[in-house]
Amino acid sequence: SQTIHQWPATLVQPVGSPLSLECTVEGTSNPNLYWYRQAAGRGLQLLFYSVGIGQISSEVPQNLSASRPQDRQFILSSKKLLLSDSGFYLCAWSITGINEKLFFGSGTQLSVL
Amino acid sequence: GIQVEQSPPDLILQEGANSTLRCNFSDSVNNLQWFHQNPWGQLINLFYIPSGTKQNGRLSATTVATERYSLLYISSSQTTDSGVYFCAVVSWNQAGTALIFGKGTTLSVSS
Repeated sequence: SQTIHQWPATLVQPVGSPLSLECTVEGTSNPNLYWYRQAAGRGLQLLFYSVGIGQISSEVPQNLSASRPQDRQFILSSKKLLLSDSGFYLCAWSITGINEKLFFGSGTQLSVL
Repeated sequence: GIQVEQSPPDLILQEGANSTLRCNFSDSVNNLQWFHQNPWGQLINLFYIPSGTKQNGRLSATTVATERYSLLYISSSQTTDSGVYFCAVVSWNQAGTALIFGKGTTLSVSS
């Protein structure tokens, strides 16, 4: 069966520091991969999605970037964090096909101080 | 882009009560899903339902694609049903395949 791993679960970083969040999927090939952000008490905002290695689509211009160095690995990065980058970051995957259900990782709570 | 509106924003129930959550969307969709986010933040996929009706235990969902809405029914609610329920869609006219989420309905079930 497929599983998705996302780490770390919580992260406290100072303003101006770099960021790297990693997400990996097991048990499937060529998944679509996504990064969403959820601000406190609000809905989910799509940040990036990828349909293949090296293919990244950005939905919102911002201080963040994403990379997909391997088929089942998706990385969210920042060179210099801002206070406004705080939030709950969720990685997700789906498979293109008849039933494109989306499955989420357990999330990373990022606090930028 | 497509707009997704959920109602009500908040819902408070006694254990055992039934409820209906609604999701309206502004464009025709080829993918609609319902999710439950528990108090610990974990998002669970409840239904993939771009049209028709599906049932899973005490939960069922109906999507009327021609009228651009979907309903999530929760019967005999339990305290473990508490959390936020999200509707998410992909529009036929949308570039890419990523789901766009509504703002959610926060459900609180008390014993």
